[in-house]
Amino acid sequence: EVQLLESGGGLVQPGGSLRLSCAASGFTFSNYAMSWVRQPPGKGLEWVSGISGRGGSTYYADSVKGRFTISRDNSKNTLYLQMNSLRAEDTAVYYCAKDQVVALQYFDSWGQGTLVTVSS
Amino acid sequence: QSALTQPASVSGSPGQSITISCTGTSSDVGTYNLVSWYQQHPGKAPKLMIYEVSKRPSGVSNRFSGSKSGNTASLTISGLLAEDEADYYCCSYATSSTFVVFGGGTKLTVL
Repeated sequence: EVQLLESGGGLVQPGGSLRLSCAASGFTFSNYAMSWVRQPPGKGLEWVSGISGRGGSTYYADSVKGRFTISRDNSKNTLYLQMNSLRAEDTAVYYCAKDQVVALQYFDSWGQGTLVTVSS
Repeated sequence: QSALTQPASVSGSPGQSITISCTGTSSDVGTYNLVSWYQQHPGKAPKLMIYEVSKRPSGVSNRFSGSKSGNTASLTISGLLAEDEADYYCCSYATSSTFVVFGGGTKLTVL
């Protein structure tokens, strides 16, 4: 059974930084691309960033490009999202999602999410 | 404003069928057969219901079906059940630097 467990969310001031983690199990992590998808309170889903299985290719939404960095450690079966220069509009539940062998196809498993609140 | 356009809400009675539309452009839905649909119950993570326009993952009821015509994809749920009441999101791969786009979501109410 695929399991994805996000951590690292919390309250941060505008301009601050936060690093999210997603621990994966139940599948061969290095074979699959992964993505982060976020959902502001009461609003819809927004794709944030994706990464290929080996980590050699990364993809970002325009709204986070230059501020967020996605990475992975396949030896630890863990996905990361480093978030810098945070803004109020980054407030959301952040989900990690399992993609396919080829990146950005569709997301067949999701974690339960971690809440990031950007506020002074 | 979301990249893909969905109706904000739809409703139907138990046993009926409903269809949710998802309108994009030639840069996403119209060009790629990489449309997926997700169901989300309140406070829960999204769940994949349809991928590659019309394929169902193992374990998803055959009451759920997907299709596409031009720049518009559709999700049809037949034989509505109370448990189908949820938010539904479409998603598509997109060209250039956009990569992945979601619809704004549709709230399904089972009357």
